[in-house]
Amino acid sequence: GAVVSQHPSWVICKSGTSVKIECRSLDFQATTMFWYRQFPKQSLMLMATSNEGSKATYEQGVEKDKFLINHASLTLSTLTVTSAHPEDSSFYICSASLIQETQYFGPGTRLLVL
Amino acid sequence: DAKTTQPTSMDCAEGRAANLPCNHSTISGNEYVYWYRQIHSQGPQYIIHGLKNNETNEMASLIITEDRKSSTLILPHATLRDTAVYYCIVRALSGYSTLTFGKGTMLLVSP
Repeated sequence: GAVVSQHPSWVICKSGTSVKIECRSLDFQATTMFWYRQFPKQSLMLMATSNEGSKATYEQGVEKDKFLINHASLTLSTLTVTSAHPEDSSFYICSASLIQETQYFGPGTRLLVL
Repeated sequence: DAKTTQPTSMDCAEGRAANLPCNHSTISGNEYVYWYRQIHSQGPQYIIHGLKNNETNEMASLIITEDRKSSTLILPHATLRDTAVYYCIVRALSGYSTLTFGKGTMLLVSP
């Protein structure tokens, strides 16, 4: 149980384009989903917390207009990187949980912006 | 959430027990100790968590000291596939509390 998937697993795009990453909880309904970013040789950094049907809460320093998060259902959250630039190249990881419960992580999406 | 301190790296021989320590001296009464691991280029994997009692599941055992200021994750028979970065995280189970990842311990299991 507690399986979280992400799609795509990797994406390459041109600078200036937008990229959408999907995060799905496959066998449970997640009231809360989280988006993290991980640069090479660094630890995971929380970008935002998303509750179903509500606006996401962004961490300090994360641009909400650049990283659009939608959590329209209890099993799906999407992260859209708008007008991507090379510095946005990173490993993006989502997690899902019920309120106050354990977070389960997806396999991650590797984004390369050329 | 309380801060944790872990060794940067550890080595373990395949088949032996791996004991990964974690200090969390400022832990509060309502904070749990969580362990995750991250194999290279994958998302973190949940291992185990506990409040004050020792816990065991199919993956590992968690030993928490009586004063709750430190804990040890035990992988009883380490395999090569256990090579990963192990994160010890203290988290309050209140509202939408988040996980704060430190640098973790890089465990290298060798043949």
